[in-house]
Amino acid sequence: DVKVTQSSRYLVKRTGEKVFLECVQDMDHENMFWYRQDPGLGLRLIYFSYDVKMKEKGDIPEGYSVSREKKERFSLILESASTNQTSMYLCASSLLAGGDTQYFGPGTRLTVL
Amino acid sequence: AQSVAQPEDQVNVAEGNPLTVKCTYSVSGNPYLFWYVQYPNRGLQFLLKYITGDNLVKGSYGFEAEFNKSQTSFHLKKPSALVSDSALYFCAAQRDSSASKIIFGSGTRLSIRP
Repeated sequence: DVKVTQSSRYLVKRTGEKVFLECVQDMDHENMFWYRQDPGLGLRLIYFSYDVKMKEKGDIPEGYSVSREKKERFSLILESASTNQTSMYLCASSLLAGGDTQYFGPGTRLTVL
Repeated sequence: AQSVAQPEDQVNVAEGNPLTVKCTYSVSGNPYLFWYVQYPNRGLQFLLKYITGDNLVKGSYGFEAEFNKSQTSFHLKKPSALVSDSALYFCAAQRDSSASKIIFGSGTRLSIRP
C-alpha cells in the first residue's frame, strides 16, 4: 500500500512565525501536491511538483512556498504565518500525471494565533 | 474557468435505501473524473474514477458512478446505504492531458441514519 505521511497532525503557531509542513511518500511517485481544505470550499491546490526540484503554482500559492530536494519528500513553507492560513493541509502523491489516483496523507490541522 | 459543482452540502438517507451524491463539472475536453471519500480525522481515500469506456464505473465499498457527457454529470450512487458510509465525499475532475492539476468540488456530507 502507498503510504503518505505528514510530519504533524496538529500544529499551533503564532502570527509571523515561519512554518514547515513535511510530507513523505514511500512509493517512488513522481508527482506530489499540497492542498488546503476549508469547510464549504473543498480542496484547493497550493503547489504541486512533478519532479525533484520542480514546482508549479496551484490556485492559491500566495503566502506559501515549497521545496522538493528528494523525490520522496515535499515540504510546504509558510514564510510568515497569518491567521487566514489556519486550515487543514493535505499532502498527496501520484505516479502518473494524467488520470491517476492521488494518495493522500492524514492531514495537518494548522492553527495560527 | 474550470469547475466542479456539488450542489448539495448534505445528503441524508435511511440505512438500506439507495443513495445518490450529485456532481457536475465544467472542464474542457474529455475530462478524467474521480470520487474520493474522507472519513472523520482521516485523509481522502480514492473511491473510483472514469477515464473512458463504459459510462457506469464501479468502485470500492459497493459504490458506483454514472458518467453522463450530455449533462456533464458524474453522480455517485449506491443501491443500499450503510451507516458506515457516513462521511464527506468529494468529486474531482482533471483535463485529459498530461496536466496533473485536479479540480475538487466543495464536498457533500453524507449522513446515513439507522
